[in-house]
Amino acid sequence: KQEVTQIPAALSVPEGENLVLNCSFTDSAIYNLQWFRQDPGKGLTSLLLIQSSQREQTSGRLNASLDKSSGRSTLYIAASQPGDSATYLCAVIGPNAGGTSYGKLTFGQGTILTVHP
Amino acid sequence: DTEVTQTPKHLVMGMTNKKSLKCEQHMGHRAMYWYKQKAKKPPELMFVYSYEKLSINESVPSRFSPECPNSSLLNLHLHALQPEDSALYLCASSQDSDKGVSYGQYFGPGTRLTVT
Repeated sequence: KQEVTQIPAALSVPEGENLVLNCSFTDSAIYNLQWFRQDPGKGLTSLLLIQSSQREQTSGRLNASLDKSSGRSTLYIAASQPGDSATYLCAVIGPNAGGTSYGKLTFGQGTILTVHP
Repeated sequence: DTEVTQTPKHLVMGMTNKKSLKCEQHMGHRAMYWYKQKAKKPPELMFVYSYEKLSINESVPSRFSPECPNSSLLNLHLHALQPEDSALYLCASSQDSDKGVSYGQYFGPGTRLTVT
């Protein structure tokens, strides 16, 4: 059974710092990995999608890396801003229990990020 | 249009009521999903529809009944819910859900459901 772990569970930083969020998964048989952002009481916003054959993806101040063989991904946020405060979720997509793929996302517990001015 | 919409935003219902949640996407995605999210927890998959057919039911109680009238619409019919069913219900869609899929999922804003 796939398990996804995110470290740290919570992070508080001053504005302007560069920071790294970590995600690990137990089963390397994934199709891709997706990072999401969730504001309180809101839906999930997709930040970056990394295919299993890729090593990293970049979007603006965000960079996500994937090391499939070691079961790890990191999300790097450059020059953090108060508006980055949210919960960040890592999720992997892989085969379901029947061995076929139905896009079953397995989520980590999330990292709660607070960026203070 | 890269949006998944959900209605209503908030819903309060009694345990004897029947209500429905609605989800719509116009991205041409052929897979649609219902997730349930409790406070401070990640979303939990409930149902997956692939090409308008139910592909996965994650052992969800029968008081939740999904329906996919067409490729753009997904409904979740609610009946005789319990207070512990109160949660944020999220709809998502993706480009495909066949084996080897490598497309991400895109979520709507959710419906906040309170069962009294």
